[in-house]
Amino acid sequence: DAGVTQSPTHLIKTRGQQVTLRCSPKSGHDTVSWYQQALGQGPQFIFQYYEEEERQRGNFPDRFSGHQFPNYSSELNVNALLLGDSALYLCASKGHGADEQYFGPGTRLTVT
Amino acid sequence: SQKIEQNSEALNIQEGKTATLTCNYTNYSPAYLQWYRQDPGRGPVFLLLIRENEKEKRKERLKVTFDTTLKQSLFHITASQPADSATYLCALPFSGNTPLVFGKGTRLSVIA
Repeated sequence: DAGVTQSPTHLIKTRGQQVTLRCSPKSGHDTVSWYQQALGQGPQFIFQYYEEEERQRGNFPDRFSGHQFPNYSSELNVNALLLGDSALYLCASKGHGADEQYFGPGTRLTVT
Repeated sequence: SQKIEQNSEALNIQEGKTATLTCNYTNYSPAYLQWYRQDPGRGPVFLLLIRENEKEKRKERLKVTFDTTLKQSLFHITASQPADSATYLCALPFSGNTPLVFGKGTRLSVIA
């Protein structure tokens, strides 16, 4: 049983560019959340998707957007990249109504 | 404002001893609290969830307590091993079904 998977593992982008990160949830999970983790900090909640809709959103600008597909996989898009967007981006999945969530290995984004 | 504090950034202990990590929160009324382990460059791994009506929970060498009066959770690792060296994160929802908020984590080093 595969856990949460994310792609790519690492990514280097230039300021102003756009990036798309991908996530496949753990089998049986239908709710996906995205987090940003800066070095030395805890993960910060970006948004959560359930039934292909954004259900909750953290304190992130509109440059951060997402999508969930019918198979529950999800994408995180970031437009107009800033140097400060450099971080580890984590995807977490859970069953609807469950409290425990499971994280993927993350995508390390570097913006130069 | 709402805050989560983990008692120290780093904790060094000798192999075989019990490690105790602290998570304090203010201005929250969480229904539960979670603990995660994170290795460098990897996603957090779920360890334990304790609900507000539970005083203590155990899993193998791990024990978590939750004192809603003190607004504090203690995380214990007994008979610690060098393989337990990692960053440990506590996380809880503001209230109800809101997204998890994470502390900055405590980096535990178990010295042989």
